[in-house]
Amino acid sequence: DTEVTQTPKHLVMGMTNKKSLKCEQHMGHRAMYWYKQKAKKPPELMFVYSYEKLSINESVPSRFSPECPNSSLLNLHLHALQPEDSALYLCASSQDRRNRDTQYFGPGTRLTVL
Amino acid sequence: AQSVTQLDSQVPVFEEAPVELRCNYSSSVSVYLFWYVQYPNQGLQLLLKYLSGSTLVKGINGFEAEFNKSQTSFHLRKPSVHISDTAEYFCAVSDQGSARQLTFGSGTQLTVLP
Repeated sequence: DTEVTQTPKHLVMGMTNKKSLKCEQHMGHRAMYWYKQKAKKPPELMFVYSYEKLSINESVPSRFSPECPNSSLLNLHLHALQPEDSALYLCASSQDRRNRDTQYFGPGTRLTVL
Repeated sequence: AQSVTQLDSQVPVFEEAPVELRCNYSSSVSVYLFWYVQYPNQGLQLLLKYLSGSTLVKGINGFEAEFNKSQTSFHLRKPSVHISDTAEYFCAVSDQGSARQLTFGSGTQLTVLP
C-alpha cells in the first residue's frame, strides 16, 4: 500500500482566514514533505520533516507553518495568505533511507485565496 | 547540484501509436531517476524508478524507461498509447547522497488523440 491521503480536497479562504491542510500516511515512512505546485509547473519543495523534526525549510514565508504531530501526520497551517499562494499543495512521504529512497505523493489540496 | 531537462513541453500522439518522452539530467554525482505521472486535478503517481541494476526499467501501465549513463538520459517509452494516458509527465532526479531532494523537470504534456 503506497497511499498518502490529504484533506480537504479543495479549500477557498480569504486573506484574513486561518486554515490547516492535513496529510496522513500509514506506510511507516519517517520522512514527510510539503510541495507547492502552480498550474503547468513542476512541484516546488517547501518543507521536509524527518523523524518528526523539521529538516528542510526552503525559505518559505512565515504565513505557512508546518507541524508534524507524529510520524503518520503532517499539517500545514495557513494564515494571512496572499492570492498568489493559490496553488495545489502536495504532501509526500518516504522511508527516509539515505539511499534508494522513493517519495510517494498524495492527491493534493487545491487552495484558492480570495 | 543536479538539473533535469525535459526536451518536449507537449507531445501529441495518436491512439495506439508508440511514444517517447525525453529526459536528460546533469549531475556531478551518481543519481536515482524517477518518472511521475499527473492526471488532471490529481497528485503525482510514481510510474517507475531507476535505483541500480538493469538499465531497462519497467513501470506501471505498460511504460518503460532506459537509463543511459553515457548520454545522461532516462527516456520514457510506451509501444502503444491509450486515450487514458493523456496526462502531464515529470522526470525527476535525486542524488544518491541526499535522497530527500528531488529535482523535477519542467514536465511534458502527453495528449493522446483518437
